[in-house]
Amino acid sequence: DAGITQSPRHKVTETGTPVTLRCHQTENHRYMYWYRQDPGHGLRLIHYSYGVKDTDKGEVSDGYSVSRSKTEDFLLTLESATSSQTSVYFCAISAGLGQAQYFGPGTRLLVL
Amino acid sequence: GENVEQHPSTLSVQEGDSAVIKCTYSDSASNYFPWYKQELGKGPQLIIDIRSNVGEKKDQRIAVTLNKTAKHFSLHITETQPEDSAVYFCAASKGGSYIPTFGRGTSLIVHP
Repeated sequence: DAGITQSPRHKVTETGTPVTLRCHQTENHRYMYWYRQDPGHGLRLIHYSYGVKDTDKGEVSDGYSVSRSKTEDFLLTLESATSSQTSVYFCAISAGLGQAQYFGPGTRLLVL
Repeated sequence: GENVEQHPSTLSVQEGDSAVIKCTYSDSASNYFPWYKQELGKGPQLIIDIRSNVGEKKDQRIAVTLNKTAKHFSLHITETQPEDSAVYFCAASKGGSYIPTFGRGTSLIVHP
């Protein structure tokens, strides 16, 4: 998976609790992305980062925040998880926009 | 913004047959078209990509064709094998300033 790891790989949590997902890369790529994947919706962009401390929103950013304090790490936080955020979350990296993206193995999140 | 339509949503073939998945895009400025394969429980993996200055690209049993006039591109898999069974995603991007937009995916089933 092109030097990308995600943690945790599986998580079960309760509505209203905070959750943080971590993406770590060893490729030194500038761009990092968080997607969610749901049946019938394909891959939808949540947030992305174009450098340390530089982030921007995607199409489904409500309820999510991100942080990138180091080139290799990109964190996704659900401040107060809801059942609608039950999904599989993928991190991706790329050297630049309009270039190939490489995906991590995913995190399966269940919010009860 | 860009809109990518992918068809069919499900494709079932016999081993040895060919499979074709088609995508259309809306923005004529798009110039980068990657294809991803996602096996069960894993993240999407880039399998082939094409840029708008090329009409066709091949890599062993897979090929991608691009028709810029009609704004559509297709993935062709020949001599399908059971291990080709997966979900395939297309994407389109306008290059250096834009993040790819994904199609909703095609579930390919290859029957032995």
